[in-house]
Amino acid sequence: GAGVSQTPSNKVTEKGKYVELRCDPISGHTALYWYRQSLGQGPEFLIYFQGTGAADDSGLPNDRFFAVRPEGSVSTLKIQRTERGDSAVYLCASSLTDGETQYFGPGTRLLVL
Amino acid sequence: QKEVEQDPGPLSVPEGAIVSLNCTYSNSAFQYFMWYRQYSRKGPELLMYTYSSGNKEDGRFTAQVDKSSKYISLFIRDSQPSDSATYLCAMWGSGNTPLVFGKGTRLSVIA
Repeated sequence: GAGVSQTPSNKVTEKGKYVELRCDPISGHTALYWYRQSLGQGPEFLIYFQGTGAADDSGLPNDRFFAVRPEGSVSTLKIQRTERGDSAVYLCASSLTDGETQYFGPGTRLLVL
Repeated sequence: QKEVEQDPGPLSVPEGAIVSLNCTYSNSAFQYFMWYRQYSRKGPELLMYTYSSGNKEDGRFTAQVDKSSKYISLFIRDSQPSDSATYLCAMWGSGNTPLVFGKGTRLSVIA
């Protein structure tokens, strides 16, 4: 079946701009996770949804970052007033429910110039 | 000190060699231990999943967990050029706690 998909695969933007990154989880998966992976580092947790609600957003670095999952399926990660330090690969993962194996998408490579 | 430590390598071995990859951790609450493989410009792919201490074998891959030493290992037997990738260890405690990753070890298997 289809895996986790993320769009766009690459995004180049200018400092100060707003960006939206989209994640389509595996059908039927209720848990959805966002991670950020900087060059040479492992993925770092940002936020986790169980259904429509954010169950844990403790990894969001500041209030410029926000994520939604209005219908419990697709999720959008929103970054306001982007900074060069936001450049990274943003990974999305989903699992059948919390505590189950997480399956990752290919990521969105964000470059802030 | 980071919660999970992993030597980033790079590690280069000849085809057919046995590869040993390791992570140490500091949080004694971790109970679930995973190894992910990540090819260049791809997302991480789950290789092995182990609960608590012990060994788990799957084909050429063996995962070991020693909770008393807070040390986990992944062994790859008869390594192949297609095993060339970054290997990430990951672990979590229970319930809704997030997955914590190591930095990843970059492995090259030379034909």
